[in-house]
Amino acid sequence: DSGVTQTPKHLITATGQRVTLRCSPRSGDLSVYWYQQSLDQGLQFLIQYYNGEERAKGNILERFSAQQFPDLHSELNLSSLELGDSALYFCASSVAATGGEETQYFGPGTRLLVL
Amino acid sequence: GENVEQHPSTLSVQEGDSAVIKCTYSDSASNYFPWYKQELGKRPQLIIDIRSNVGEKKDQRIAVTLNKTAKHFSLHITETQPEDSAVYFCAASRENYGQNFVFGPGTRLSVLP
Repeated sequence: DSGVTQTPKHLITATGQRVTLRCSPRSGDLSVYWYQQSLDQGLQFLIQYYNGEERAKGNILERFSAQQFPDLHSELNLSSLELGDSALYFCASSVAATGGEETQYFGPGTRLLVL
Repeated sequence: GENVEQHPSTLSVQEGDSAVIKCTYSDSASNYFPWYKQELGKRPQLIIDIRSNVGEKKDQRIAVTLNKTAKHFSLHITETQPEDSAVYFCAASRENYGQNFVFGPGTRLSVLP
């Protein structure tokens, strides 16, 4: 167990809908990262937050947004969902902000299925 | 930006044999190279990492080597066991760079009994 928690574990929804994925980092970690992993695909970095502020952006669609709250948990909001958004969404956390030379610990993931 | 390539995409070995997975990166400023193992349906888990001031690191049956001049790093697994079967991802990142981790596309390792 990495200490990173994600809810829900599974989510089934319809096209056009909006969902929110939640992540709680390890105790003491200030950075949260979101990744998308499609079937048989690698890990695509979406966005990083550090201590409540956006730190880095990757291949995140405009329909997606995220935030990190004062208690350091983070939420990833996916709107106007399309079939292609079906994927496993991972959250990871690390201690610091730099993103480099920082071990990232992954949560168990949220499996999203858009029908 | 950083680009990480990984080879092979699939690898099958007999139990007890060694497995080698190689990654190349494009950003010469990258200085941290972790390897993650992901079993089917589970989270990626860090198995070993190496920093740019080190050429080789070993942890029991797993070792990683780094060649900064050639910009490649490799994962070596010796005496493979069936439980080593998984997808392995390499990654590269640069300290103080907000883009952080760029992952390779992964290698599916199958250890045949």
